[in-house]
Amino acid sequence: KAGVTQTPRYLIKTRGQQVTLSCSPISGHRSVSWYQQTPGQGLQFLFEYFSETQRNKGNFPGRFSGRQFSNSRSEMNVSTLELGDSALYLCASSLDKAYNEQFFGPGTRLTVL
Amino acid sequence: QKEVEQNSGPLSVPEGAIASLNCTYSDRGSQSFFWYRQYSGKSPELIMFIYSNGDKEDGRFTAQLNKASQYVSLLIRDSQPSDSATYLCAVKGSASKIIFGSGTRLSIRP
Repeated sequence: KAGVTQTPRYLIKTRGQQVTLSCSPISGHRSVSWYQQTPGQGLQFLFEYFSETQRNKGNFPGRFSGRQFSNSRSEMNVSTLELGDSALYLCASSLDKAYNEQFFGPGTRLTVL
Repeated sequence: QKEVEQNSGPLSVPEGAIASLNCTYSDRGSQSFFWYRQYSGKSPELIMFIYSNGDKEDGRFTAQLNKASQYVSLLIRDSQPSDSATYLCAVKGSASKIIFGSGTRLSIRP
């Protein structure tokens, strides 16, 4: 069974631009969560989607948004990029909302110049 | 106080010994607890999860949960150099969000 896939793996943007990251969960998994990982702040929860609905949201500004499609694939968008948005963005999938075991994708490394 | 706290390390343990990693959490309503291993440059990998008080064993790994004291630990028996990594404790709190600790760096010395 294929694991969680994320595209692109690496991205370089400049301040003020916007970016869209994509995540395909493990086949059959319906819950997708997004995290930001930085050396200073560690792994921070962004949001969680289940059946195309946002179930939970972390403490990030409105510039961070996401969505989930009917096939469970998810995208997150960051608008008006800031230097501090440089981070590893990780997507994790789990079977459904009753299951808590999450499996992470390889991440997208975003660099904002 | 951080919601999930871990000693950042590094924790240095000789090969073959038991490595003990600890984690405390602040939300008394937390129900699910996870340990992830993250190698440098890689994404976190789920090692174990535990929901009930007590011990849960899986191979060389044992997770221990004490809800009254609000701590969870991970023991690694017969530590190997390949166990050298950062270990992340994660807790699903009463708001159903999964909160990660900052991780403990473990180094197994030959």
